[in-house]
Amino acid sequence: DGGITQSPKYLFRKEGQNVTLSCEQNLNHDAMYWYRQDPGQGLRLIYYSQIVNDFQKGDIAEGYSVSREKKESFPLTVTSAQKNPTAFYLCASSTISGGSEKLFFGSGTQLSVL
Amino acid sequence: KNEVEQSPQNLTAQEGEFITINCSYSVGISALHWLQQHPGGGIVSLFMLSSGKKKHGRLIATINIQEKHSSLHITASHPRDSAVYICAVSTGNQFYFGTGTSLTVIP
Repeated sequence: DGGITQSPKYLFRKEGQNVTLSCEQNLNHDAMYWYRQDPGQGLRLIYYSQIVNDFQKGDIAEGYSVSREKKESFPLTVTSAQKNPTAFYLCASSTISGGSEKLFFGSGTQLSVL
Repeated sequence: KNEVEQSPQNLTAQEGEFITINCSYSVGISALHWLQQHPGGGIVSLFMLSSGKKKHGRLIATINIQEKHSSLHITASHPRDSAVYICAVSTGNQFYFGTGTSLTVIP
């Protein structure tokens, strides 16, 4: 079955530590996205990539980094510069469907600070 | 200012009730999406629409482009419909999300 796989489901970060969240898709989608979800807020865009080896900052990119070395993979690193990293992180990908983009989501990673 | 506003924020219904969730947006869109997020967090796409009305089982989504408004209806609600429903719009290269409506259906 095609889909988006995020891992791990739960992740704990210590003070000063960088952690990496994995996102893999086998849908052959060009565009991939990372969103952060906090209680009571809509999804906020961290980074997105429309093509391999290229990515753009979203609304809340500070303290995060990404890479897009392969079409299938779009890992997100939460660096020690992100002072409030506790949140639910969702990876998504999109295709053009009928002239508009349809979003597909992974199952998410809950990141907490120890 | 949020580009996408949803109402209500929280909704509790008795099993069998007809449910409506509303969404208003303020930007020009290429499509509007209704998403469902269950406890555990994964999100699935229910509908993508750019005009008119779509129906899937007990779910109906409508959109009025002139009024920049969409509704999601659930007929004969069931406890398994309990979830967060999120309205989102796509503008070609951007997605904007509402804060979600948390629905609880009581048996």
